[in-house]
Amino acid sequence: NAGVTQTPKFQVLKTGQSMTLQCAQDMNHEYMSWYRQDPGMGLRLIHYSVGAGITDQGEVPNGYNVSRSTTEDFPLRLLSAAPSQTSVYFCASSLDRYGYTFGSGTRLTVV
Amino acid sequence: AQSVSQHNHHVILSEAASLELGCNYSYGGTVNLFWYVQYPGQHLQLLLKYFSGDPLVKGIKGFEAEFIKSKFSFNLRKPSVQWSDTAEYFCAVTGNQFYFGTGTSLTVIP
Repeated sequence: NAGVTQTPKFQVLKTGQSMTLQCAQDMNHEYMSWYRQDPGMGLRLIHYSVGAGITDQGEVPNGYNVSRSTTEDFPLRLLSAAPSQTSVYFCASSLDRYGYTFGSGTRLTVV
Repeated sequence: AQSVSQHNHHVILSEAASLELGCNYSYGGTVNLFWYVQYPGQHLQLLLKYFSGDPLVKGIKGFEAEFIKSKFSFNLRKPSVQWSDTAEYFCAVTGNQFYFGTGTSLTVIP
């Protein structure tokens, strides 16, 4: 099992550009989530999904979209990048919401 | 609203010192509690978790945590830290959602 795979690992965007952060898991987990990690603020939930076709907003959803067309994939889309979205993004998955497995993260810089 | 508080933001200890990191949560329902560790440049890894039963939970690498329901706390402890324990530690709680605390940065000096 590869676990949770995130791509890319690093990305630099210009303000206003759009992009998709990829997340895939091969553990047949129903629950998947996206977090952003900022200094002094811990991890904040952006969006989450409880299964294919079902997504919902977390604490900080503005500026991000998600979709869950398959159990394996949960991409995060930045619609129009802003400097405030400079962060490290983590995708996580869980079989039953009781303990998540995290990907290695994507470090995004918006200039 | 559900929340998790970690009051120690930065902790510096010498090797062999004892560690206790505080975690308090606010949620009225049944909770599941977790501690995650993030080593420099790496992703989060699960240290230990509490669902029910014995409130003293033992995790990997000699860590343990005690759930005290009356205090809404789930403090992390280790009797003797090592330099390799230098990392950031996150408390998390699952109630209706999965929430993380803001983290505690631990530096262990050789």
